[in-house]
Amino acid sequence: DTAVSQTPKYLVTQMGNDKSIKCEQNLGHDTMYWYKQDSKKFLKIMFSYNNKELIINETVPNRFSPKSPDKAHLNLHINSLELGDSAVYFCASSLMGAAETQYFGPGTRLLVL
Amino acid sequence: SQELEQSPQSLIVQEGKNLTINCTSSKTLYGLYWYKQKYGEGLIFLMMLQKGGEEKSHEKITAKLDEKKQQSSLHITASQPSHAGIYLCGALPNAGGTSYGKLTFGQGTILTVHP
Repeated sequence: DTAVSQTPKYLVTQMGNDKSIKCEQNLGHDTMYWYKQDSKKFLKIMFSYNNKELIINETVPNRFSPKSPDKAHLNLHINSLELGDSAVYFCASSLMGAAETQYFGPGTRLLVL
Repeated sequence: SQELEQSPQSLIVQEGKNLTINCTSSKTLYGLYWYKQKYGEGLIFLMMLQKGGEEKSHEKITAKLDEKKQQSSLHITASQPSHAGIYLCGALPNAGGTSYGKLTFGQGTILTVHP
């Protein structure tokens, strides 16, 4: 009965590679998010989609490209991975609204060597 | 942009002790969220506060939002090892739909509870 799920949970890869992280939610939410948590545990929003439309796009390198095939899925593709991309990436979802609670997935731990 | 500062950054307590974590905003808070993160896991939603002076409780955890809506506190009564983890406060930058769920988070407070 996982509400927000992410795959893979762990990802170890070489610099320069391209990788994707997938997120799915079964809460019936219409808004999904990607956050990045760095080594100091600082959590920062990257992107947000509402009904497959991009609504938040923070200052993120264009090597990062989110894609939402439908409102229950939000994927994150990263091109030409760099050492500094190593972090935990969290997916979250909520209903669209000014103060709707966001529910988070378990995270994907990315390590770039 | 809004900044959230949490204090303390880390806290070590003996089981059974009470503790308080603070979250201070550089701007008026529209919505303030408390989450808990266990190592290797995602964020678990605890509580959300929106009105000045609001207070909510869940089991042994109580969160308050001050009248001026610029500071929130999270209080744990009679702490247990299960309370250990990272506590994060998150806030929406402004009122209305323009925030689009753009949560800003504090740096987190690492709580250790010794049995």
